[in-house]
Amino acid sequence: QSVLTQPPSVSGAPGQRVTISCTGSSSNIGGGYDVHWYQQLPGTAPKLIIYAQNNRPSGVPDRFSGSKSGTSASLVITGIQAEDEADYYCQSYDRSLSDVIFGGGTRLTVL
Amino acid sequence: EGQLVQSGGDLVQPGKSLRLSCEASGFTFDDFVFHWVRQVPGKGLEWVSGINWNSGRVHYADSVKGRFTISRDNAKSSLHLQMSSLRLEDTAFYYCVKGPSNWGNWYFDLWGRGALVTVSS
Repeated sequence: QSVLTQPPSVSGAPGQRVTISCTGSSSNIGGGYDVHWYQQLPGTAPKLIIYAQNNRPSGVPDRFSGSKSGTSASLVITGIQAEDEADYYCQSYDRSLSDVIFGGGTRLTVL
Repeated sequence: EGQLVQSGGDLVQPGKSLRLSCEASGFTFDDFVFHWVRQVPGKGLEWVSGINWNSGRVHYADSVKGRFTISRDNAKSSLHLQMSSLRLEDTAFYYCVKGPSNWGNWYFDLWGRGALVTVSS
């Protein structure tokens, strides 16, 4: 059971907008700790796509965006493409656990 | 942008030890914090350990505390994870990951390809 809760799966047709939620608590997201997002394509290592809520590293397409509100955060992919089919993980820090924490991951299927 | 090249993954018996290594290139190694993150095949990600630029600050997940030791050699741009008293549940891909420059900013902007550690009798 992950400290950060993500839906196991989401899906959408090419060109659609999809949102992946990440729900935490007052000891992590709600406590002011940053939220980061990673994309893991099949058979590869994870890749940072959003850091500190809504910042994109160089080279990440602008169809990826993030937000945070209260004890939750969201990753939005606007105009999904077949190449976006992957697992997505949110990540933060928990002060009660004194640990880096990950969500359980969400598999995006492009229909 | 940089690269992290990992080595050391292997099949090992429970109770034994194994050392993972990671060699960095393409950036100034001692400017950054480094971590190890693991992933059981087909499962989610678990942070394992982190070390600051001069090894003055290290941190471990409770699941590995007292058994794993993270270290770095800035002269050789390398990161290591010494794993001892290995358990079946330590079986996973282990990723060498780079963080930003400051301790306490916990995210990972560069990942190695991963090394598979299999603990089995």
